[in-house]
Amino acid sequence: GNSVTQMEGPVTLSEEAFLTINCTYTATGYPSLFWYVQYPGEGLQLLLKATKADDKGSNKGFEATYRKETTSFHLEKGSVQVSDSAVYFCALKDTGGFKTIFGAGTRLFVKA
Amino acid sequence: GAGVSQTPSNKVTEKGKYVELRCDPISGHTALYWYRQSLGQGPEFLIYFQGTGAADDSGLPNDRFFAVRPEGSVSTLKIQRTERGDSAVYLCASSLRGDSSYEQYFGPGTRLTVT
Repeated sequence: GNSVTQMEGPVTLSEEAFLTINCTYTATGYPSLFWYVQYPGEGLQLLLKATKADDKGSNKGFEATYRKETTSFHLEKGSVQVSDSAVYFCALKDTGGFKTIFGAGTRLFVKA
Repeated sequence: GAGVSQTPSNKVTEKGKYVELRCDPISGHTALYWYRQSLGQGPEFLIYFQGTGAADDSGLPNDRFFAVRPEGSVSTLKIQRTERGDSAVYLCASSLRGDSSYEQYFGPGTRLTVT
């Protein structure tokens, strides 16, 4: 069945460091891919998405590119801030389906 | 405008009891989803409603779990004969439509603890 695997956390970085959180997926067809973020004390919210191969999703300085050849959707940010400290979830949704499959989440801590 | 709301925010119940969890979606959103999130895990899909009907209930773990959305707005997740393993945060999300073009908006969740 469909699944999402993301790197285990926690990830601890200093402010202004480069961030990569790896995500790979298993799915039939051409799923849509998502990154969600959960800030401390807040609900889950969509960060960015890509709906077809080679699409790049971007938001708030974060980027992720849909790589079908490597079945990956790695999240990157060039310079993290303390306010980026949160849990990040990679997710996929099947073409024509309605079920979203989430990874286990990666907690990011950014130190000043 | 108002986001997705869920009540109660916390629920503690004894093993074997019945519980109901409520979700108020964003007005006008026809798609509604329930997820369950255990500690340290990502949300796990339970059920999807398009309007009043359950279009996909393949994530419900067993027949103790049931959900309704009688008027196509508010939804209730019902758990019978609760077990300790049901303890988790239950999340509700809504979107304008069900396909990937439309963003899912999540509620704050109901933390269920079964003692």
